[in-house]
Amino acid sequence: KNEVEQSPQNLTAQEGEFITINCSYSVGISALHWLQQHPGGGIVSLFMLSSGKKKHGRLIATINIQEKHSSLHITASHPRDSAVYICAVHTGTASKLTFGTGTRLQVTL
Amino acid sequence: EPEVTQTPSHQVTQMGQEVILRCVPISNHLYFYWYRQILGQKVEFLVSFYNNEISEKSEIFDDQFSVERPDGSNFTLKIRSTKLEDSAMYFCASSEALRLAKNIQYFGAGTRLSVL
Repeated sequence: KNEVEQSPQNLTAQEGEFITINCSYSVGISALHWLQQHPGGGIVSLFMLSSGKKKHGRLIATINIQEKHSSLHITASHPRDSAVYICAVHTGTASKLTFGTGTRLQVTL
Repeated sequence: EPEVTQTPSHQVTQMGQEVILRCVPISNHLYFYWYRQILGQKVEFLVSFYNNEISEKSEIFDDQFSVERPDGSNFTLKIRSTKLEDSAMYFCASSEALRLAKNIQYFGAGTRLSVL
């Protein structure tokens, strides 16, 4: 069973700050997702990665397979980035996702 | 952009009643999922479905739950006799394939189920 841990659980930042959210997992994976959950509850997929690094706009995701660790970075944070960010993993050939508990980010002016 | 749609957005029911949650996955997707999120907790996997049969299910997905793809577009989750603890947000998701590049899961907006 794969345990997925995220840190921090809650994060408050001022607009413009560089933000890092961390995710670690206990068992080898085939891929890792970073997801964003808005206050209304909807979930949006931000990245899926299995190695290295991906960038989309102000968001950067990295993964270290050997260390079983991934990070999500947000550069020049903005209040509209306020949401819950969730790490989720695929283990082996399983199609299901195992989710972390999420990091609640609040960006203030 | 194609999206997964779920109806209703909010369902209120009495304990012991049957509910059906509906989902329309993205049209060229082959893999379908249901997840749930109890308020304040993490999202949990319920079931995955491929080629008109369940491919994997969690221990949560007991005999009270069933899934169906009654036609070419809908994917439903039925709870036969709802319990208070079934109150949660239920998310449907779909993906194109299992191989890595196509395994991104797209989520619907969710159905909030309230069991009274």
